[in-house]
Order: sequence, then structure tokens, then C-alpha cells
Amino acid sequence: NAGVTQTPKFRVLKTGQSMTLLCAQDMNHEYMYWYRQDPGMGLRLIHYSVGEGTTAKGEVPDGYNVSRLKKQNFLLGLESAAPSQTSVYFCASTGTGAGELFFGEGSRLTVL
Amino acid sequence: RKEVEQDPGPFNVPEGATVAFNCTYSNSASQSFFWYRQDCRKEPKLLMSVYSSGNEDGRFTAQLNRASQYISLLIRDSKLSDSATYLCVVKGTDKLIFGTGTRLQVFP
Repeated sequence: NAGVTQTPKFRVLKTGQSMTLLCAQDMNHEYMYWYRQDPGMGLRLIHYSVGEGTTAKGEVPDGYNVSRLKKQNFLLGLESAAPSQTSVYFCASTGTGAGELFFGEGSRLTVL
Repeated sequence: RKEVEQDPGPFNVPEGATVAFNCTYSNSASQSFFWYRQDCRKEPKLLMSVYSSGNEDGRFTAQLNRASQYISLLIRDSKLSDSATYLCVVKGTDKLIFGTGTRLQVFP
């Protein structure tokens, strides 16, 4: 059972480069979320989606863009990476928005 | 003020001890509440949901006080394998907001 899959799992970028993180879920979930986790900060919500074609801002959306063109995929983009975006990124999904969140294994991004 | 606040710990307890974690939330319209567990460098996983009447799952008991906007987790008879970070999670309309987590270290 794949569940939630994030790619890539590791990436090193130079300041100013762009990249896209892909989150894919095979559970037919409506809700998908992107979080970042930094030491001492817990998980902070970047953007989320309540269904195909919809996106909304979370707590820390600046510097990121997202798209949900297909129900199973939620993409997180960094147009011009900055060292402050060095973090571990987690994608999660849930069916009804009230139930258990299923997480991917995380993507570790370093911006030099 | 953060929407969800937790004591970061760490809580260092011996095996067999009882330990309690607290969490407060600021949005009185919050609808659902959860405790998640996160092991080092791993993704968070659901430990238990928290119901108004309180609920128990083996050695774990969760309580919710809506009037005080307060959630608690009690772990009895701590095991070495309970060592982890415990995250309080609060759900509003569509968003799930995480606390910063409380780290527990159980020693022999």
C-alpha cells in the first residue's frame, strides 16, 4: 500500500533556484496539506487543498506556490529558493478533513 | 499567541512512571482534537483522537476541556518505546494546526 508518497526525498538547492515537490496519494482523499518542520517550531501549515482544483493559504505561505490539478496530486513549488526555506517538508492527506491525517515520509530540502 | 501551545519539554521519566502532557488552543470554534506521535526524523502518526467525554486506549488517556480550551494526554506505566515527541493537533473548519510538540524520554 503506497499511501502518501513524496518525491524527492532529499534535495540540495542553490539560492535562487526553483524546484517542485510532488505529493501523491492513492486513497482518494479530498484534503491535502503541505507542512514544513523546523527545529523547535513544530509543523507549520504552508498551503492546503480541500479538493481538486482548489488551494488555500496556511500559516506560512510566502515563497511557495501550490497546485492541485488532479485529485491525487498536490504540488509544492519554490520559485526562487532562499536559505530560510531549508526544512523538512511533509505532505499529508485525509478523506473528510475530520479524520486521521496520513503523512508522507518527508522531503529534506537544503538551500545553500 | 500561537494557535496551539505545548510545553516543549523534554520530560525525562523512568520506566513505569506516569506522565501528563498539556496543550492549550486559542480558537474556541475548533472542532476536533488529536494527539500524534513523532519519532526522530520520521513522519507524525496518529496516536488517538480526543473526545469531549475523555477517552482511553490502553495506557493512554486523553481529556478535552472545551471551556478552558485545554487538552491533555496521560501515559501510565511508561515504556522505553514511548520515547518520542507528542504533538497536539487542533482542527478548525478545514485546517489542522499542530503544536510544537512535547518531547518524552523514558529511561531504564
